[in-house]
Amino acid sequence: QVQLQQWGAGLLKPSETLSLTCAVYGGSFSGYYWSWIRQPPGKGLEWIGEIKNSGTTKYNPSLKSRVTISADTTKNQISLKLTSVTAADTAVYYCARGLGGSGSYWGQGTLVTVS
Amino acid sequence: DIVMTQSPLSLPVSPGEPASISCRSSQSLLQSNGYNYLDWYLQKPGQSPQLLIYLGSIRASGVPDRFSGSGSGTDFTLKISRVEPEDVGVYYCMQALQTGFTFGPGTKVDIK
Repeated sequence: QVQLQQWGAGLLKPSETLSLTCAVYGGSFSGYYWSWIRQPPGKGLEWIGEIKNSGTTKYNPSLKSRVTISADTTKNQISLKLTSVTAADTAVYYCARGLGGSGSYWGQGTLVTVS
Repeated sequence: DIVMTQSPLSLPVSPGEPASISCRSSQSLLQSNGYNYLDWYLQKPGQSPQLLIYLGSIRASGVPDRFSGSGSGTDFTLKISRVEPEDVGVYYCMQALQTGFTFGPGTKVDIK
């Protein structure tokens, strides 16, 4: 059974860098699009960006100047970095495999609080 | 960006009764291959979103057949034929036509 496990620091101060990692277990890493999505407390879902198998990335224009998504194919992991965080970046962050396809899988979510 | 809207935003339903959620996109999600790039997700309380429907009308693996998706172009509907208590949560539509996927605001379904 495919499981996405994610981890990273949950409490940051303003201006620090958010760093999260996501790994897949029980399923394939290659051949899929990998995405990060976030959800502010009590609010809806916002797509942050994606990385393709080839390493090509696309980002939400509203976050593009601060976001980096990378992949480590040797570890079957992807990472998210968001620089210069503010309180507005407080959210649950999700990684997802195959978003927009026939069978997307999501991580359990990581609450990141900026305070 | 493609803007997604949903209605209603809140939907109280009685168990066993049907439910319907509408989703509209600011531009057509119909591709030349005949598929509509519209997905439906359910986020149960305290959980990650789970895929219910993709390409507008195809149920994801393991999704009960009481869930159905329909529509084309810019107007879509998710129907639950008979609501079960485990169906409570927030339902989101998402356009999968253009990277830079965008979600609707969500429809909160709860039991009367």
